Amino acid sequence: SAVISQKPSRDICQRGTSLTIQCQVDSQVTMMFWYRQQPGQSLTLIATANQGSEATYESGFVIDKFPISRPNLTFSTLTVSNMSPEDSSIYLCSVWAGVGGGNTIYFGEGSWLTVV
Amino acid sequence: AQSVTQPDIHITVSEGASLELRCNYSYGATPYLFWYVQSPGQGLQLLLKYFSGDTLVQGIKGFEAEFKRSQSSFNLRKPSVHWSDAAEYFCAVGPNSGGYQKVTFGIGTKLQVIP
Repeated sequence: SAVISQKPSRDICQRGTSLTIQCQVDSQVTMMFWYRQQPGQSLTLIATANQGSEATYESGFVIDKFPISRPNLTFSTLTVSNMSPEDSSIYLCSVWAGVGGGNTIYFGEGSWLTVV
Repeated sequence: AQSVTQPDIHITVSEGASLELRCNYSYGATPYLFWYVQSPGQGLQLLLKYFSGDTLVQGIKGFEAEFKRSQSSFNLRKPSVHWSDAAEYFCAVGPNSGGYQKVTFGIGTKLQVIP
């Protein structure tokens, strides 16, 4: 399994500001992802964080709004830029643990963001 | 394209009663199926998964799920529910190709447990 730590766990942000969420994994993983979970909804994949290169974004998500860094195999950040109340969500970091990790997706505890 | 349907948005059961949460998937080949649980204020925890082999899968916390290819279903069951099982449950499906592929999540089923 993989243990994933995210911070901040919660924050209240002012409209128009940006916030960076950090994700630390206790082992090296090839694939890291960022999901968004809006209130009362399921998980939506924002992007795949690629080590040493630009993230791969899903339809509807753009780098200017959600810049992602992945400097190494254990760490990634997601920035939510120029926030509006519609960005109030849970943001979840996840990793794919391959054969050695049970071929499973593991999630961090999530970062609860409220934009006011 | 793959998809997941969880037809029950909200379910209420009495403590000690049995539970079945429904999950139907759409995928053209053998899927990789997951159930996750999200307790209030928490992230997602893996309950169990089906990759291949025995279609009845045992998970943590006394949960099990059965893969039924003919019905495109992967329903989650528990014989006796505890108050601590109150949470939201997500079914997910992905391609069973031996490595990571994009996983699609259902909308979730919120479980309420009453005394």
